[in-house]
Amino acid sequence: GQQLNQSPQSMFIQEGEDVSMNCTSSSIFNTWLWYKQDPGEGPVLLIALYKAGELTSNGRLTAQFGITRKDSFLNISASIPSDVGIYFCAGRRQGGSEKLVFGKGTKLTVNP
Amino acid sequence: KAGVTQTPRYLIKTRGQQVTLSCSPISGHRSVSWYQQTPGQGLQFLFEYFSETQRNKGNFPGRFSGRQFSNSRSEMNVSTLELGDSALYLCASSNIQGGNTEAFFGQGTRLTVV
Repeated sequence: GQQLNQSPQSMFIQEGEDVSMNCTSSSIFNTWLWYKQDPGEGPVLLIALYKAGELTSNGRLTAQFGITRKDSFLNISASIPSDVGIYFCAGRRQGGSEKLVFGKGTKLTVNP
Repeated sequence: KAGVTQTPRYLIKTRGQQVTLSCSPISGHRSVSWYQQTPGQGLQFLFEYFSETQRNKGNFPGRFSGRQFSNSRSEMNVSTLELGDSALYLCASSNIQGGNTEAFFGQGTRLTVV
């Protein structure tokens, strides 16, 4: 099935460092969503983006909807150990359907 | 407000058997989508229901089916289970109003086929 290109696949950082990850696609999306998933749990919604160029923050997290509508990035500032997990981007292509296309995830490890 | 509830959390089934998974969306949400998550394929869309009607279907064989009830609760069924059906099955709930909708996931049902 179709998936978004998410990078990097994994990151190993020190506590306090900033983190950046992104998703790209050859197709246009109308909505970008960013999720965090802990082992054995379902994805938890972090940020939702609905407009090209939109920049939205949620605490130490900031995400942007690319101006071409084919990409999005997520930044985490001043990382802490509880930021550990897998981060997924998801795109919704059109109205009339809630179907989401997902990236393969970025696994984040934070060393205290 | 209660979140999305999926039952059961864990299931072990034998090849050839069939299984039914349940999802109760957030109160007031009428859209329910199902996803399969595996280490190799990631999160793949199965199907979406809104007001008891299937609105969209992913690229899965006919052994995978679903339905939605008048109270928006949804079930998915997998018949003639194969080893490759082992996965985390996730349900997402959305409140479709005005076009800007967020999707909230349940904790998932971990299905193991032996």
